[in-house]
Amino acid sequence: EVQLVQSGAEVKKPGESLKISCKVSGYSFTNYWIGWVRQMPGKGLEWMGIIYPGNSDTRYSPSFQGQVTISADKSVSTAYLQWSSLKASDTAMYFCARRYKTSWFDYWGQGTLVTVSS
Amino acid sequence: EIVMTQSPATLSLSPGERATLSCRASQSVSSSYLSWYQQKPGQTPRLLIYGASTRATGIPDRFSGSGSGTDFTLTISSLQPEDFAVYYCLQDYNLPPTFGQGTKVEIK
Repeated sequence: EVQLVQSGAEVKKPGESLKISCKVSGYSFTNYWIGWVRQMPGKGLEWMGIIYPGNSDTRYSPSFQGQVTISADKSVSTAYLQWSSLKASDTAMYFCARRYKTSWFDYWGQGTLVTVSS
Repeated sequence: EIVMTQSPATLSLSPGERATLSCRASQSVSSSYLSWYQQKPGQTPRLLIYGASTRATGIPDRFSGSGSGTDFTLTISSLQPEDFAVYYCLQDYNLPPTFGQGTKVEIK
């Protein structure tokens, strides 16, 4: 059974760093792209970026380029999304999802709620 | 960047009625790269349709997708109580992939 299990909710202060995770199981981690999607409170879905764990090829949406870093660790079948300096506007739910055939997201994590507040 | 525009923003219908949701792209998108997702409050998005018209595993046949080029449609033939949710289209044809802003299907 394919599963993507994300790390738990986080409450951070502006300026702090953060790394959230997405651990996959049930398929070969290195053979599928993993993407990250943001959903701000009460808003729609935003595509942030993707990584191919097999070779760490990473692509970002221009809106998120330079704002976040996506990485993956093959040894633990886990993808990561990290910030070096959080802003209040980073408050959102973040989903990871498996990208199938470079075209659609077929399996999703349960989401990680990130709250940034002073 | 391809802009995906969904209409209407909100659709108010009764159970049993037919729902027709539109997704228009600012430039042509290959059908192979168009998908639809359902999201209920507090839940994770769920893949409904991929390749513009193929139902994902376990999706009831009351859901259907159609369209090509710049115009795509998601149809729910007879709304069930569990279908009231927000629906999003996604194009993954050009980088960056982009979602539509969503259509909320609410109970009238």
